[in-house]
Amino acid sequence: NAGVMQNPRHLVRRRGQEARLRCSPMKGHSHVYWYRQLPEEGLKFMVYLQKENIIDESGMPKERFSAEFPKEGPSILRIQQVVRGDSAAYFCASSPLRAPTGNTIYFGEGSWLTVV
Amino acid sequence: EDQVTQSPEALRLQEGESSSLNCSYTVSGLRGLFWYRQDPGKGPEFLFTLYSAGEEKEKERLKATLTKKESFLHITAPKPEDSATYLCAVLQGGADGLTFGKGTHLIIQP
Repeated sequence: NAGVMQNPRHLVRRRGQEARLRCSPMKGHSHVYWYRQLPEEGLKFMVYLQKENIIDESGMPKERFSAEFPKEGPSILRIQQVVRGDSAAYFCASSPLRAPTGNTIYFGEGSWLTVV
Repeated sequence: EDQVTQSPEALRLQEGESSSLNCSYTVSGLRGLFWYRQDPGKGPEFLFTLYSAGEEKEKERLKATLTKKESFLHITAPKPEDSATYLCAVLQGGADGLTFGKGTHLIIQP
């Protein structure tokens, strides 16, 4: 669990500002997933990325949300013009191969976004 | 329509009192069923992956089983440190993301 590094752990933004959440996958993992956990709800899949490619963004809201995983550096989830409904815990997960193929998916500790 | 349903939502047990948590699913082409443990303010911690009906896996006081419609997480002689929310998730055919249930909040009282 500790191998997937997310920062910041806690972030407060005013309505209309931008939020950037970073995720460094476990060493040797090239597949990154972002999930969102709203209060009193389960974890919801948002997007799946490999280096320099978005593979599946079926869970991403159509507006204001974007994700990238550049050749160098961490994966970034970007939320523009945040609204109070964006307040949630955002979790990054990584895997060495496209799941499940005998491997599993490990989660980071999460980034808690509060919009005021 | 919920594809992954966990029950009960909450469970309070005495230390040493064994029980089972249920995860029922309605997905096509199951590629894997995952169990995670989540402590407050933390990320999900991987416990087990099950791939086919009849499969069982064990780890310390936990044992996970899988049928074609549901999975059980059996907890034997639990201790207070087993208190957590237990999450079930499935990976279905054609999908890249896990579909999670809402979890079972387990409290073990000393």
